[in-house]
Amino acid sequence: KAGVTQTPRYLIKTRGQQVTLSCSPISGHRSVSWYQQTPGQGLQFLFEYFSETQRNKGNFPGRFSGRQFSNSRSEMNVSTLELGDSALYLCATTTGGAHNEQFFGPGTRLTVL
Amino acid sequence: QKEVEQNSGPLSVPEGAIASLNCTYSDRGSQSFFWYRQYSGKSPELIMSIYSNGDKEDGRFTAQLNKASQYVSLLIRDSQPSDSATYLCAVGVGGGYQKVTFGIGTKLQVIP
Repeated sequence: KAGVTQTPRYLIKTRGQQVTLSCSPISGHRSVSWYQQTPGQGLQFLFEYFSETQRNKGNFPGRFSGRQFSNSRSEMNVSTLELGDSALYLCATTTGGAHNEQFFGPGTRLTVL
Repeated sequence: QKEVEQNSGPLSVPEGAIASLNCTYSDRGSQSFFWYRQYSGKSPELIMSIYSNGDKEDGRFTAQLNKASQYVSLLIRDSQPSDSATYLCAVGVGGGYQKVTFGIGTKLQVIP
């Protein structure tokens, strides 16, 4: 069974630009969660989607948004990029059931200059 | 108080020793507990999950859960240099849907 895939793997952007990241879940997984990971803050939860609906949202500004498609693939968008948005962005997918074993993709490394 | 607390380390152990990694959590309603291993520059990899009090063993890894003390630990027996990584504790709260919160992670160094 193929794992979680994320594209692109690396991105370099400048302040003020926007970026879209993509995540394709494991087959059969309907829940996709997004995390931001930085050395000082660890894994910070952004949001979670299940059946095209956002079920939960972390404490991030509105510049961070996401969506999920009918095939469970998900995208997240960051607008008006700031230097502090430089991070590893990870998506994790699960079946969405009671025991939420999450499986991570390889991540997208975003650098904002 | 952070929801999931871990000592960031580094924890240094000699090769062949037992590494003990600890995690405490604040929400008594937590139902699912996970340990992830993350090598530098890589994404987290699920290595253990535990849902009820007691021990769960998988190869050289043992997860221990004590809900009364709100404490979960991971023991790594016969530690190898390849075990050197950051170990993330994650806790799930909720019923049909569970919100998972991660600790900051403990960096483990196994010294040859």
